[in-house]
Amino acid sequence: EADIYQTPRYLVIGTGKKITLECSQTMGHDKMYWYQQDPGMELHLIHYSYGVNSTEKGDLSSESTVSRIRTEHFPLTLESARPSHTSQYLCASSNGQGANTGELFFGEGSRLTVL
Amino acid sequence: AQSVTQPDIHITVSEGASLELRCNYSYGATPYLFWYVQSPGQGLQLLLKYFSGDTLVQGIKGFEAEFKRSQSSFNLRKPSVHWSDAAEYFCAGAPGYQKVTFGTGTKLQVIP
Repeated sequence: EADIYQTPRYLVIGTGKKITLECSQTMGHDKMYWYQQDPGMELHLIHYSYGVNSTEKGDLSSESTVSRIRTEHFPLTLESARPSHTSQYLCASSNGQGANTGELFFGEGSRLTVL
Repeated sequence: AQSVTQPDIHITVSEGASLELRCNYSYGATPYLFWYVQSPGQGLQLLLKYFSGDTLVQGIKGFEAEFKRSQSSFNLRKPSVHWSDAAEYFCAGAPGYQKVTFGTGTKLQVIP
């Protein structure tokens, strides 16, 4: 059973509000990822980190930002939420070494609705 | 672009019937390939993975997948489906040590 946790699971918020989606893992994994998932669409990588103080933007452009101050914590922030940000956000981690490359452990997701 | 493709958006099978979900990949070299499952309201869970060697890979929950280089495919199979297998299934690939890319998913419905 994976030890990666996301909060909140569900969030409904008004336009213009600042939100932070939390993601924590207890597996000591160096690599962490944020994916955006919309119904019928592939998962899109929006941010990733290969270690503390390392963050990169993913393949899909996103107005969100991330930080990685501690190995276990990888929060995602939207400074001013808009209805176009409505989506499910999935956090994942990996030790990404050798045969474990690409083996991702996912949280249960945070479903964001912006009114 | 390097990617994986899942041609079936939705599949319905009867409980006890066999299952095959299709996945095709498009990478320059043989990638690492994966199948993940997502139950409603949950994150994704790894079912199985292929890196090299034996082309028939066994996974959890009775699933297996076969890597076929000649067809650029990595199809997921299960000989007898259970109602609890109803979920969405994602094929994924990673060329070398690069980031994982996912297919669009196949939603499996199991009828009694």
